Order: sequence, then C-alpha cells, then structure tokens
Amino acid sequence: EPEVTQTPSHQVTQMGQEVILRCVPISNHLYFYWYRQILGQKVEFLVSFYNNEISEKSEIFDDQFSVERPDGSNFTLKIRSTKLEDSAMYFCASSPGQNTGELFFGEGSRLTVL
Amino acid sequence: QKEVEQDPGPLSVPEGAIVSLNCTYSNSAFQYFMWYRQYSRKGPELLMYTYSSGNKEDGRFTAQVDKSSKYISLFIRDSQPSDSATYLCAMRKDTGRRALTFGSGTRLQVQP
Repeated sequence: EPEVTQTPSHQVTQMGQEVILRCVPISNHLYFYWYRQILGQKVEFLVSFYNNEISEKSEIFDDQFSVERPDGSNFTLKIRSTKLEDSAMYFCASSPGQNTGELFFGEGSRLTVL
Repeated sequence: QKEVEQDPGPLSVPEGAIVSLNCTYSNSAFQYFMWYRQYSRKGPELLMYTYSSGNKEDGRFTAQVDKSSKYISLFIRDSQPSDSATYLCAMRKDTGRRALTFGSGTRLQVQP
C-alpha cells in the first residue's frame, strides 16, 4: 500500500541551527501538507502546498519556516533558526485531489531542539 | 469556545465492548469529517472519512455526522486490545481553507 515516508525519524539540534525535514508523498497525490504536534498537544496545521506554491499557511508558519518541492518526489520543510519551542513531531501529509478531505500522514519526524 | 472539542479520556473498556467516541464543533462551515487513529509516537492513520451529514460503516467502525447538532461520533464494535490508541477527530471546510482542524484526541484502552 502506498505511504508517505519521512526522514529523519528523529533529529536533535542546537538552538539557532537550521533543520531540513524531508518527505516523499504518495506518488499520484497533488496536495502536500506539514503539520506539527507538540508533546501532549493537538495536531496543528502549518502549511499546504499545491502546484509548486504555498496555498495556505497558519500563523505558526512564520518567516523562519519554508517549504520546497525540489524535485518530482520530495517535499521539504526547512526551519531556518530553530528555537526551543520548535521541538515537536512534524508530520507530512498528502491528499489525492481538490474535492476530497482525505489526508494521509507519514510517521513523523521528531525534532528536539536543545 | 474551542472550534473542536473532544474528551481526552482515557476511556477504558473490556475486550468485545462497543466503544463510542465523539467530538463537538462550533463552526458550521465544516463539511468534511475524519477520524484518525494514532499509536504512541506514530503518525495519524486515517480510519473513516465522511462528507456532510449521515452514517458510514467500514467493518467494525461506524462514523456518524449530525450537522444540526454539530456532533460527530465514531463507534467501534467488538473492540480489540489492538484498538488501544488515541483517536483524533478532524474536520475541514468545503471551500477556502483546506487545513484540517483536529480535536485533542481521546485515549482508548481495551483491556483483554
């Protein structure tokens, strides 16, 4: 069964360092997303991406965050200068098309900022 | 008032019981409703997906949406210990924002 894959599964970084989280969405999906979940809290929307541009972003997704689809398969989230409060699980998701609400999530990348 | 409310549990039931999980919401613009299962430190796994009001059944799972009451439910029949997980409701609007709004999740424990 096709699945969303994410790397790394866990990254530890120092405050102020740049981090790139990588995702390979399901191959025929058109919409891509990043969500995050701080330990013990709700899953929160960060950004959605369609047709090589950001289609929607939340107030969490400030200037230190960026997303890119560098080739036909990868979808990345970059955090430019990490803060302690960026420590969370980051989930990539994809969905097949415009008229569906179904999102399929990856296993997540756990980011720990020291 | 929170946009999506969900009782955090934990909910503990014996194996074989019928489980009822539910969420209430305040925004009448929500049209798509989903239930996800999340095991500890794993990604949410889509269980059920419904559009607008009504019921949907898939194996041991039944999802119900009552838009007039702004209330959605997930029923699990013949619950198994492997159903022990956190269940998240999620919803989104039909147009405009595609972002999902999640509930906080209900932790379910099925005792063998």
